[in-house]
Amino acid sequence: VQLLESGGGLVQPGGSLRLSCAASGFTFSRYHVSWVRQAPGKGLEWVSAISGGGTTTYYADSVKGRFTISRDNSRNTLYLQMNSLRAEDTAIYFCAKRFRETGGCFDSWGQGTLVTVSS
Amino acid sequence: IVMTQSPATLSVSPGERATLSCRASQGVNSNLAWYQQKPGQAPRVLIYDASTRATGIPARFSGSGSGTEFTLTISSLQSEDFAVYYCQQYNNWPLTFGGGTKVEIK
Repeated sequence: VQLLESGGGLVQPGGSLRLSCAASGFTFSRYHVSWVRQAPGKGLEWVSAISGGGTTTYYADSVKGRFTISRDNSRNTLYLQMNSLRAEDTAIYFCAKRFRETGGCFDSWGQGTLVTVSS
Repeated sequence: IVMTQSPATLSVSPGERATLSCRASQGVNSNLAWYQQKPGQAPRVLIYDASTRATGIPARFSGSGSGTEFTLTISSLQSEDFAVYYCQQYNNWPLTFGGGTKVEIK
């Protein structure tokens, strides 16, 4: 299993960014996947999740209405569209695969991509 | 569900036993995992379903508990075990992590 995030960078407050996570080594379309972030020097925060078929999505209250999770199963790729970014969104963003198709722990993680929100 | 880990920092000598605690604000059955994270790395799952070791995890790591009280025990700390440990519940949305316990060399 491999998960490879991309798309991070420096963005001004109020700006937008789209993260991608390319998956390989498993049947991507069958598994729930999530975004988890970690602010500098802080703990882990779950951000968003999406079902295997992409029909069901979940969000943390801190990002609801600003972030949108989606997936393209034909490309084995997960996305996170981030709008109205704030300084407190600065973090490393990891994509993570659930152990079971619809639940369980996170058994595989990407290496993360850094998002910095600053003027 | 709020996950509370204690202590925040644990100072242990190599070869000693380490006991880390995690408390959930409401019952999560056995839907709890423990992760280890080293600087500059992604987290790695150690224990899932409260007490099942993940593939490749040494037997010195063990997990116990159910409901609201959980424990991760490292029976004899090795140099590579000094890291930050997080618990996470996956019983309810939103998924939540504890604040972490840093295990440092005494």
